[in-house]
Amino acid sequence: DAMVIQNPRYQVTQFGKPVTLSCSQTLNHNVMYWYQQKSSQAPKLLFHYYDKDFNNEADTPDNFQSRRPNTSFCFLDIRSPGLGDAAMYLCATSRDLGEQYFGPGTRLTVT
Amino acid sequence: GQSLEQPSEVTAVEGAIVQINCTYQTSGFYGLSWYQQHDGGAPTFLSYNALDGLEETGRFSSFLSRSDSYGYLLLQELQMKDSASYFCAVQNQGGKLIFGQGTELSVKP
Repeated sequence: DAMVIQNPRYQVTQFGKPVTLSCSQTLNHNVMYWYQQKSSQAPKLLFHYYDKDFNNEADTPDNFQSRRPNTSFCFLDIRSPGLGDAAMYLCATSRDLGEQYFGPGTRLTVT
Repeated sequence: GQSLEQPSEVTAVEGAIVQINCTYQTSGFYGLSWYQQHDGGAPTFLSYNALDGLEETGRFSSFLSRSDSYGYLLLQELQMKDSASYFCAVQNQGGKLIFGQGTELSVKP
């Protein structure tokens, strides 16, 4: 089945230690998104790639970076995680501006 | 600025009908989506309205009035498995989704 895959599902990192979350998709969608969702809150868009074009949200901290080496893969890099970065990180994909398909998420814990 | 308002929680009984309202203020409005999210899970797409009117998909229907900046999600024949959070989300220019804070639906026996 075509899907959005996120690895790992659970990630524990230390305060200040860089961490990378990964997302892959078999839908061949040209748009990929990264959202941050904290407990009992709405998903918040961090950035997205429209094809190879990177689009950063104005309020996304510089601590968060992203890479998309090819259509299928997208990475979220957190350069120096703080305690406030503990959250669920959701990857989503879409064909152009259509319906977004979400992956299962990676729950990040910062110790 | 952009904002969406929806009730924080709703409770209903099995077999009943429930309506979750969403009002929004945004620029560059393209459409209104609804997502369901079970505890610990990912949001899953339910419906999308770009034009005024009612869209029906099985037990779920969604309505949009662009002139009133208002929409709702209607869930019929409620089942226990419908207990989840429901988010309305505005799609603006560039295809970005701006989510509301979510409505937690509890379905009781």
